[in-house]
Amino acid sequence: EAQVTQNPRYLITVTGKKLTVTCSQNMNHEYMSWYRQDPGLGLRQIYYSMNVEVTDKGDVPEGYKVSRKEKRNFPLILESPSPNQTSLYFCASSLFRAQRSDTQYFGPGTRLTVL
Amino acid sequence: GNSVTQMEGPVTLSEEAFLTINCTYTATGYPSLFWYVQYPGEGLQLLLKATKADDKGSNKGFEATYRKETTSFHLEKGSVQVSDSAVYFCALSLTGNQFYFGTGTSLTVIP
Repeated sequence: EAQVTQNPRYLITVTGKKLTVTCSQNMNHEYMSWYRQDPGLGLRQIYYSMNVEVTDKGDVPEGYKVSRKEKRNFPLILESPSPNQTSLYFCASSLFRAQRSDTQYFGPGTRLTVL
Repeated sequence: GNSVTQMEGPVTLSEEAFLTINCTYTATGYPSLFWYVQYPGEGLQLLLKATKADDKGSNKGFEATYRKETTSFHLEKGSVQVSDSAVYFCALSLTGNQFYFGTGTSLTVIP
């Protein structure tokens, strides 16, 4: 089954404790992206990647890191989480054709709480 | 800058009512426009899209027309069902890499 998976689905942590949220897709998509969803703000793009070893900042990259060492995986790293990073996080992937990403497929989300 | 503005929710409708969710955008170039739907507890799914002016995207009875002159992409459905209850997001992309989403509109359809 074609899908985007994220782990963990729920995470409660404390300020400053490094964490990684994994994202994996089995559709051989070139493009992957991370978003955070907050009430009243909708989805905001954190980072995106157009292919292996190619990443770029979205609208709200501060406090986050990403890496793309393999095509299927795109982990989101919070080196020193803070309470304002409490949010619902989504990973998405798509084909990348003619210099544009195609339909994005979203993962189920990771609800992160930073105390 | 680039941004999307959607009508505030929540919206509550009776089954078989007509639905309109307004979406307007600001873009520094010529964007592609999207409507995504999020069912409770799930990720977003693409509902429909349009890539150029006057294009009409349609899917599952929903429609939206790309209006460049009014910078709008309003979502419509002639007769909503209980199963349409969800949050709807309007979005734009200029480069195909960066995406800008609206704040979402929650729809509840009551029998």
